Amino acid sequence: RKEVEQDPGPFNVPEGATVAFNCTYSNSASQSFFWYRQDCRKEPKLLMSVYSSGNEDGRFTAQLNRASQYISLLIRDSKLSDSATYLCAVNGNTGGFKTIFGAGTRLFVKA
Amino acid sequence: EAGVAQSPRYKIIEKRQSVAFWCNPISGHATLYWYQQILGQGPKLLIQFQNNGVVDDSQLPKDRFSAERLKGVDSTLKIQPAKLEDSAVYLCASSLDYPGAGETQYFGPGTRLLVL
Repeated sequence: RKEVEQDPGPFNVPEGATVAFNCTYSNSASQSFFWYRQDCRKEPKLLMSVYSSGNEDGRFTAQLNRASQYISLLIRDSKLSDSATYLCAVNGNTGGFKTIFGAGTRLFVKA
Repeated sequence: EAGVAQSPRYKIIEKRQSVAFWCNPISGHATLYWYQQILGQGPKLLIQFQNNGVVDDSQLPKDRFSAERLKGVDSTLKIQPAKLEDSAVYLCASSLDYPGAGETQYFGPGTRLLVL
C-alpha cells in the first residue's frame, strides 16, 4: 500500500460545478497535511494547509479525518482556471519529518 | 521576495554521462529539499537539509546521486552516471524551518532532465 494515495482522475466537470477529492494516508502518526496545486509543466504551489478543525479559503474547503486517515478538498463553483493537478502532501514523523506527496488528481473544468 | 532559483531549466544528456543541478533557496530558509518528479507521479523526496546538515537521504540512490549544501545556503545535486530512468523533473524547495511544525515548502521551477 502506498503511503499517500489519491484517485488520479481525471475529473471532468463543467464550470460552476462542485467537485471533491480525497487523499488517504497510511501513517497514523502523520502530523501535518497540505493540498498543493500543480499546473502543467510548473512547480507545485501550496493551495492550503489542512487543520484538524477543517479550513476554508474562498471556494476551497479542506477537511481532515484522522480516524479514517484521509484528507479532502472541496472546490465549489469551479472555474476554468481551477484546471490543474491537485497534490496532497503529508508530513509524518518516520525517523525524521518527511513530506510524502500523493501522485495527484487531475481536474479539468470545461466551459 | 525572490523565490527559489534553479538552474539549468533543461538538460539533455546521454546515459552514463554526469549532470549537476543548482539551487538557491529563499533567503533565510533553513531547510532545503530536493525532489524527483517522474511524469504522472508526485514529487519524491531525495534529500533534505537543515542548514548544511542532512536530515533525510533515505530515498537518495547513493551509488549515483550526491548532494551538498556547503554553507547552508546554495545546494547542488549531482548524478553520476545517469541512467535512462533518471529522466524526470528535479525540484528544489525550501522552507523557513523544519517541517515538523507544518512549514510551507516553496518550490523552484525545476530542472527537466532527459537522459537518452
